[in-house]
Amino acid sequence: DAGVIQSPRHEVTEMGQEVTLRCKPISGHNSLFWYRQTMMRGLELLIYFNNNVPIDDSGMPEDRFSAKMPNASFSTLKIQPSEPRDSAVYFCASRIRQGSGNTIYFGEGSWLTVV
Amino acid sequence: GENVEQHPSTLSVQEGDSAVIKCTYSDSASNYFPWYKQELGKRPQLIIDIRSNVGEKKDQRIAVTLNKTAKHFSLHITETQPEDSAVYFCAATLSGNQFYFGTGTSLTVIP
Repeated sequence: DAGVIQSPRHEVTEMGQEVTLRCKPISGHNSLFWYRQTMMRGLELLIYFNNNVPIDDSGMPEDRFSAKMPNASFSTLKIQPSEPRDSAVYFCASRIRQGSGNTIYFGEGSWLTVV
Repeated sequence: GENVEQHPSTLSVQEGDSAVIKCTYSDSASNYFPWYKQELGKRPQLIIDIRSNVGEKKDQRIAVTLNKTAKHFSLHITETQPEDSAVYFCAATLSGNQFYFGTGTSLTVIP
C-alpha cells in the first residue's frame, strides 16, 4: 500500500491567493483527518470525516478554511484567501473506523508558506 | 473535549540511558493511547500503543504504561541510541473518532 498520499508536498504562495491541498487516504480506510502542525501550537485537528461525511469541523480556524471529501478516495483542504499566519505543515491522516484500537496513519504532509 | 498534557517538552539523555515521557488526559472515557515518533521533516509514525484494558505493553526497547485511575500514561525508552532522537507525541482517543495529541517532547540522545 502506498500509504496516505498528499499533494503538493511544498507550496509557496502569496498572501491572498487560494491554496488547495489534496489527500488520498489509504484504500479501505473510512475515516480521514486533517491536521495542522506549527511550532507554537503543535498538532491541531482541523476536521475529520467518517464515510465521507464531516463529523467535527470545530478545529477549522476561520471561514477562510474549507474541506471536502467528495468520495472515499479523495479529500481537499482549501484556504481562501491565504494569509502568512496560515504557514504550517498540513497533515492528512486516515484510519479504518472499526473498534477502538485502530490508529491513524499520516501522510508526508504539505509544507505551506504564505508570503 | 479531551485535553492531553505532555512533559517534558525537551529531554536530553546520554546514549545508553533511559528516557521517560509522561502524558495526562482529562476524559476518563478515553480508551486508546498511541505514541508517535516524528523525525525532522517527516510524518508522525506510530511506535507503540496501548488500550485501556491493559496496564503495560512492551516492544523491544520501548514500553508504555497506563494508569487509568490517575489518567496518565508514559513512554519508556531503554538503552537509548542516537537514532531515537526525534519528537515524540502522545495521543488519547475515545474509540478512535478524535485523536487528541500532546504538545510533543523533543528527545536528544547524546552520543
